[in-house]
Amino acid sequence: RKEVEQDPGPFNVPEGATVAFNCTYSNSASQSFFWYRQDCRKEPKLLMSVYSSGNEDGRFTAQLNRASQYISLLIRDSKLSDSATYLCVVKSYIPTFGRGTSLIVHP
Amino acid sequence: DTAVSQTPKYLVTQMGNDKSIKCEQNLGHDTMYWYKQDSKKFLKIMFSYNNKELIINETVPNRFSPKSPDKAHLNLHINSLELGDSAVYFCASSQGQANSGNTIYFGEGSWLTVV
Repeated sequence: RKEVEQDPGPFNVPEGATVAFNCTYSNSASQSFFWYRQDCRKEPKLLMSVYSSGNEDGRFTAQLNRASQYISLLIRDSKLSDSATYLCVVKSYIPTFGRGTSLIVHP
Repeated sequence: DTAVSQTPKYLVTQMGNDKSIKCEQNLGHDTMYWYKQDSKKFLKIMFSYNNKELIINETVPNRFSPKSPDKAHLNLHINSLELGDSAVYFCASSQGQANSGNTIYFGEGSWLTVV
């Protein structure tokens, strides 16, 4: 099992849709979790941290399930500008990136 | 006001050459990283330094040699370049230790093409 796994997609959704991504991790000792966004030919940028109690930032909600070892990202009311690749990051000893989930929001 | 800056942004070179990529961060962070993103978009850590000391070396061929003259700089030198080295190389930094809960900030990437 890979350390951090994501469905590569692409997820192709219409504007206004709600879409959810999951990311599973193998190391139960992992301590910190994040979602990053990467636009085409750009560097990854932090979207949000993921806390045990779950957290929300506008249309974005992140959750952590330690028992099942996955994190999730929910995007409500999708915008065209949300089209990007979403990378989950899991930190144990090493910050490890998933290979990303591609989201395409169409009109 | 660039936080993490790396040069060059684009590099095209022939097999067998030696090349360097430089990275500097002005965030005062303790930890710096080199990541490689290949054609399949998989972002993989290569090295991490904390206060100029190597702390992570992820089974990278010894043709790759990082150098950190001070905690604000982490350069990457690559000897005898191979076709498979073609990728985007991202420099990054974060505060504290690599396994802390602190955000990792990336440079814009260096696009290396080996022909």
